[in-house]
Amino acid sequence: DVKVTQSSRYLVKRTGEKVFLECVQDMDHENMFWYRQDPGLGLRLIYFSYDVKMKEKGDIPEGYSVSREKKERFSLILESASTNQTSMYLCASSSSVGPIFGPGTRLTVL
Amino acid sequence: KQEVTQIPAALSVPEGENLVLNCSFTDSAIYNLQWFRQDPGKGLTSLLLIQSSQREQTSGRLNASLDKSSGRSTLYIAASQPGDSATYLCAVRMAYKYIFGTGTRLKVLA
Repeated sequence: DVKVTQSSRYLVKRTGEKVFLECVQDMDHENMFWYRQDPGLGLRLIYFSYDVKMKEKGDIPEGYSVSREKKERFSLILESASTNQTSMYLCASSSSVGPIFGPGTRLTVL
Repeated sequence: KQEVTQIPAALSVPEGENLVLNCSFTDSAIYNLQWFRQDPGKGLTSLLLIQSSQREQTSGRLNASLDKSSGRSTLYIAASQPGDSATYLCAVRMAYKYIFGTGTRLKVLA
């Protein structure tokens, strides 16, 4: 069964910490995405990658960076976490039948 | 800039009713449109994908239509059940990117 996995379901961090969110897909997909989801704002694209070491900014990249050293793994990095980055983070990889999502990581920044 | 809107934001219906969820988008130059279901605290699950050249897709009790020229899609759910309670999101694909609506939160009452 194909899947996208995310390293943590729930994460609590302190303001100023460096935070790594990991996403792994086992489908050999080229494209991978990071979204954040907030009530009333829907899903907003942070970054996406269309190949190893290739990345493009989405709509809200400020305060985030990404890394894609291997095809199956796409990491989201919060360089210095802030309280306004408290959110649900969703990773997806893209196939011919559209994006397949991971279960999400609920991040709380105190 | 593409904008995707879903109305209503929330809907509560008695079990057994047929219902229609609406999705509208501002730029008709889309590759496809997809409907997703999201259960609380979980990732998104794909329901139906309609290519830009298609008018509708069906899966079981679900039927999705697409009118690209008017920028509209509807998701029809027949004979609703309590298990259909979830948030339903539509998304349009523009090149590499998927742009999401904010969703309709559906509650089906037993």
